[in-house]
Amino acid sequence: GDSVTQMEGPVTLSEEAFLTINCTYTATGYPSLFWYVQYPGEGLQLLLKATKADDKGSNKGFEATYRKETTSFHLEKGSVQVSDSAVYFCALSPAPDSSYKLIFGSGTRLLVRP
Amino acid sequence: GAGVSQTPSNKVTEKGKYVELRCDPISGHTALYWYRQSLGQGPEFLIYFQGTGAADDSGLPNDRFFAVRPEGSVSTLKIQRTERGDSAVYLCASSIEVNTEAFFGQGTRLTVV
Repeated sequence: GDSVTQMEGPVTLSEEAFLTINCTYTATGYPSLFWYVQYPGEGLQLLLKATKADDKGSNKGFEATYRKETTSFHLEKGSVQVSDSAVYFCALSPAPDSSYKLIFGSGTRLLVRP
Repeated sequence: GAGVSQTPSNKVTEKGKYVELRCDPISGHTALYWYRQSLGQGPEFLIYFQGTGAADDSGLPNDRFFAVRPEGSVSTLKIQRTERGDSAVYLCASSIEVNTEAFFGQGTRLTVV
């Protein structure tokens, strides 16, 4: 069945460092891909999404490109801040351009030190 | 309210007891979803409502789990004869329509002792 695999954490970086969190997926059809973030004490929030191959999602300085040839959707940010410390979840929806029945990875905890 | 509200935020129950978890979605959202998140894992889909009806309950693990949304707004997830393996954070999310962004609540942490 469909699945998402993301790199295990925690990832510890110094402020202003470059961030990459790897995410690969297995899916039939044409899934939509998402990154969700969970800040301490808060609910999951949509960070960015991409609905078709070669789309780039971006938000708050974060970017991820839907790569069908490598079945990947890696999250990147050029310069992280302490406030980016959170747990990041890669997810897919089997249905095109939908939030329905999301399949999540296990999450990657990011800790940014001043 | 401004966001998805889940109550209680924490629930401790004894093995074999019955529990109900409540979700208040964002007003006007027709789609509602329940997920379960075990420790160290990502959320797993349980059930999806469109309006009052359960459009997809394929994620419910067994017949001890049941959910309702009688008026198309508030939803209740019901777990009978709880087991220690049911311990998890239960998340609710809602969206205007199924193809729009889903907004998550903070979850109910259920502990079965």
